[in-house]
Amino acid sequence: KAGVTQTPRYLIKTRGQQVTLSCSPISGHRSVSWYQQTPGQGLQFLFEYFSETQRNKGNFPGRFSGRQFSNSRSEMNVSTLELGDSALYLCASSFSTGSYNEQFFGPGTRLTVL
Amino acid sequence: GNSVTQMEGPVTLSEEAFLTINCTYTATGYPSLFWYVQYPGEGLQLLLKATKADDKGSNKGFEATYRKETTSFHLEKGSVQVSDSAVYFCALSDPGSNSGYALNFGKGTSLLVTP
Repeated sequence: KAGVTQTPRYLIKTRGQQVTLSCSPISGHRSVSWYQQTPGQGLQFLFEYFSETQRNKGNFPGRFSGRQFSNSRSEMNVSTLELGDSALYLCASSFSTGSYNEQFFGPGTRLTVL
Repeated sequence: GNSVTQMEGPVTLSEEAFLTINCTYTATGYPSLFWYVQYPGEGLQLLLKATKADDKGSNKGFEATYRKETTSFHLEKGSVQVSDSAVYFCALSDPGSNSGYALNFGKGTSLLVTP
């Protein structure tokens, strides 16, 4: 079974631009969560989608948004990029929502904002 | 709010040494607790979990016991190998909180095992 895939793996953008990151969950998984990982703040939850609906959202500004498609694939978008948005963005999928459902993580997308 | 505190390291050990990585938490409800591991250049992998007090999670020689009285979930391994070198994250999920089922992570502990 293929794991969680994220594209692109690396991305370089400049301040003020916007970016879209993609995540394909494990086949059969309906829940997708996004996390931001930085050296200073560590791993922080962005949002979770389940069956195309946002179930939960972390404490991030409105510039960060996401969506999920009917095939469970998910995208996250960051508008008006700032230097502080440079991070590793991790996507995780699980069969369903709930703390008993193991979350499987992708390798991440490394975003650098210049 | 909920939080997880773990020793940040780096921790450097010789092969076959005993490993302990401390993790304590604060939570408003009854969280599930997890240890994740991140190898260089890779995403996180679930190492073990415990869903209620006194549960012991174990995998690949690693163990951690959910201690409600001390709000702790320390990771231990009796004999580490070079291949255990990675960053270890303690995390909790507290559906009774505003965060729902989202994972709340500690800052991570870097482990380097030398031959």
